[in-house]
Amino acid sequence: LAKTTQPISMDSYEGQEVNITCSHNNIATNDYITWYQQFPSQGPRFIIQGYKTKVTNEVASLFIPADRKSSTLSLPRVSLSDTAVYYCLVATYSGGYQKVTFGTGTKLQVIP
Amino acid sequence: EPEVTQTPSHQVTQMGQEVILRCVPISNHLYFYWYRQILGQKVEFLVSFYNNEISEKSEIFDDQFSVERPDGSNFTLKIRSTKLEDSAMYFCANRLRLATDTQYFGPGTRLTVL
Repeated sequence: LAKTTQPISMDSYEGQEVNITCSHNNIATNDYITWYQQFPSQGPRFIIQGYKTKVTNEVASLFIPADRKSSTLSLPRVSLSDTAVYYCLVATYSGGYQKVTFGTGTKLQVIP
Repeated sequence: EPEVTQTPSHQVTQMGQEVILRCVPISNHLYFYWYRQILGQKVEFLVSFYNNEISEKSEIFDDQFSVERPDGSNFTLKIRSTKLEDSAMYFCANRLRLATDTQYFGPGTRLTVL
């Protein structure tokens, strides 16, 4: 499984755009990049998934360069409720099976 | 939007006792997982389950652990003889069908072993 590396923590003011970058140098051809959000004492919540280039949904954008060795989660105009831990995962697929490994995540603190 | 549910939300037990943690997956999802998270640490994979069989398990998932779908809907994790170090949040997750489908996590059960 490809190991992921991301900053341990980040601070941002309300209303700013936040970009969290994750490196996954050993990503394999069939692997996908997935980001989850976790609030204290709650289960991880899916944010976005991508394979290459750019993916956007109603809450975030995911930028993946051509070499796929890194990815950047972009959260537009964060609010206090976005304070959480954000996990970058590489999902490995074999046959019909999927395996993900959580790293330590990035603790985002949004400041008023 | 369909959600994964877990019961109980908090379980307190004495060391050596058996516990069963329950999960109701999203309907029609075929792949099931259990993870645990010790307080302040990262989420750790325990086991994956498909077609009534374990498809993969981690080294954490030793003989004290077992999983089953007793009635075709609920998905349970049993710990036969709990240890202090089993205290953690336990999350179940499920995935629909395709290999690239997302895993959806439940809210978790906080297990406290005294």
